Amino acid sequence: KNEVEQSPQNLTAQEGEFITINCSYSVGISALHWLQQHPGGGIVSLFMLSSGKKKHGRLIATINIQEKHSSLHITASHPRDSAVYICAVLNSGGSNYKLTFGKGTLLTVNP
Amino acid sequence: DSGVTQTPKHLITATGQRVTLRCSPRSGDLSVYWYQQSLDQGLQFLIQYYNGEERAKGNILERFSAQQFPDLHSELNLSSLELGDSALYFCASSVGTNIRTDTQYFGPGTRLTVL
Repeated sequence: KNEVEQSPQNLTAQEGEFITINCSYSVGISALHWLQQHPGGGIVSLFMLSSGKKKHGRLIATINIQEKHSSLHITASHPRDSAVYICAVLNSGGSNYKLTFGKGTLLTVNP
Repeated sequence: DSGVTQTPKHLITATGQRVTLRCSPRSGDLSVYWYQQSLDQGLQFLIQYYNGEERAKGNILERFSAQQFPDLHSELNLSSLELGDSALYFCASSVGTNIRTDTQYFGPGTRLTVL
């Protein structure tokens, strides 16, 4: 079993729909990152969170440490949101850390 | 444009060869991270440098090495290349060393093909 599981693997939505992407992990973590990878390959860091909820524009990220689960929500989705969304969990301790990535969720938003 | 530059964009080489990938961080950023993205393994963290010193090590193979120079640019050296090393290699930079809180800015990547 992978340490980081994302669901769904693929998601197709119509413009304007509310989107939820899930990330579950099996180990204790220090923080969780959400990344967006555009069709051309470029990667953008969206959120880093260790508790609660963060919002940036139409994007909202939540994390429940006890349930080892995080969600990324997109409100009023738009075709430009089409991308792969990747979560990564951070285990840190001492002088080193471990960063483990999920396989990603491919989101396609149709006009 | 993130402000992080990587060269070359594409690299095609043969098994057994050695290549060097280069990364220039955003102005003012002291940390550089290297990542590998392959079709079967997905994204993997390789190594982080902060102000010239190795800060953290991930899944970096012994055949790979990296360094960060006084002008803060970084190079990733890949040697004895194998077919499985074919991947996209990203570097990212951040202002500090705290991976929990510092936003990372990613470069456009170098696509390495090993034939």
